[in-house]
This record gives sequence, C-alpha cells and structure tokens, in this order.
Amino acid sequence: QQQVKQSPQSLIVQKGGISIINCAYENTAFDYFPWYQQFPGKGPALLIAIRPDVSEKKEGRFTISFNKSAKQFSLHIMDSQPGDSATYFCAASIGGAQKLVFGQGTRLTINP
Amino acid sequence: DAGITQSPRHKVTETGTPVTLRCHQTENHRYMYWYRQDPGHGLRLIHYSYGVKDTDKGEVSDGYSVSRSKTEDFLLTLESATSSQTSVYFCAATGTAGNTEAFFGQGTRLTVV
Repeated sequence: QQQVKQSPQSLIVQKGGISIINCAYENTAFDYFPWYQQFPGKGPALLIAIRPDVSEKKEGRFTISFNKSAKQFSLHIMDSQPGDSATYFCAASIGGAQKLVFGQGTRLTINP
Repeated sequence: DAGITQSPRHKVTETGTPVTLRCHQTENHRYMYWYRQDPGHGLRLIHYSYGVKDTDKGEVSDGYSVSRSKTEDFLLTLESATSSQTSVYFCAATGTAGNTEAFFGQGTRLTVV
C-alpha cells in the first residue's frame, strides 16, 4: 500500500509562476515530512522539511504548508526558475530521516 | 553526494545470476539504507542497517540480502536476479537517530536481461 500519495505526476509551469505539489499520508505516527529534489543522473537531495508542530515553513522561494487534520502537506515554489526543473519527492517518517517513506514523485518543468 | 559512493554505476546482468552492489561512505554515518527507484513508485526501502552487522528488512526486501561488516561499507546482493529487479538503486546514510537529513549516493542503474 502507498502510505504517501503525491500529485501531480508531472507539472509544467511558466518561469516566474508558482509551482505546487501535494502529498497526503495515512500513518498518523509520521512526525517528519521532508521534500527531496532530484536532478537527472543524481541522487535525491534534501530541499526542505517540516515537523507537525508548525503549519508552515519557508526557506527562500520554497515553502512547505502542513495540514495535520487533513493529513496533507504541500510544497510551494515561488518565482519558479528553469533551474528548478527536476523531480520532487515528498516523504514521511517517524523520528527523523530514518526509513523514509516516499511519494511517487513529481517531474517539474519550468518553461523559460 | 556527501561522501557516498556507489559502485558500479551501471550494470547489465542476466536473469538468474547473483549481483552485488556496493555503497561506501566516508562520513562515519551510523545508519545506511538501500532504496530502489521505479517510475510511479518513488523510492522504496529494501533493507537498512543501524550498525555494523545489524540489518533489517524494508518494504521490498524479497530477493535481496545485505551485509555490513564495516561502518563505511553496505553491500546489497540480488541472490538470483530477475527482470522485476531492473531498477535504479540508491544507497543513503544518516547519522544518529533523529537526524534530519538522509544523504544519497548517485545511484546504480541495474538492468536484468
């Protein structure tokens, strides 16, 4: 069973626009929710992460919004740039970065 | 890739043959993981290690075994490769429990023909 569901599978956004990727989880024991960014031929790299005691976390152009009651969280990329074109994975775990459960991934393309 | 090296980077093997993938880390991370990445599934945990000679199964462990005889090395073995094991394999490592970042290697693309 897919414990973390991610949508959309692919997303095309114009340069300067807002990219939004959504994830939903099932296990209420999850307490750590990171987003990873992956470029072709590379391994995933941590982008930003949140714990459920806050509803939003912002780092530069990247923001995580978290809704504990709905068991959903999302990644917002403001002022999207061509260099943001990559595959993004949401994930969830208990306690930290151990044994991450990943979503299916979203291929993001930013058109210049 | 934070000091995590996977070898080989690419491999083609025949059905039924054993295959071993190697992960080497230089940062003395305690925890190490093997994930496989497949379209539509994201990354799924195969096996993990929480110390030398301490390993456990992940979500998709059937057909795989692991060994960790030294802190820096974590080996993944496909005992008898099948076409369903064609995938990209990633090794990852984290430090102490509660550590908030997993560091990934660059992946091994394995094709079973």
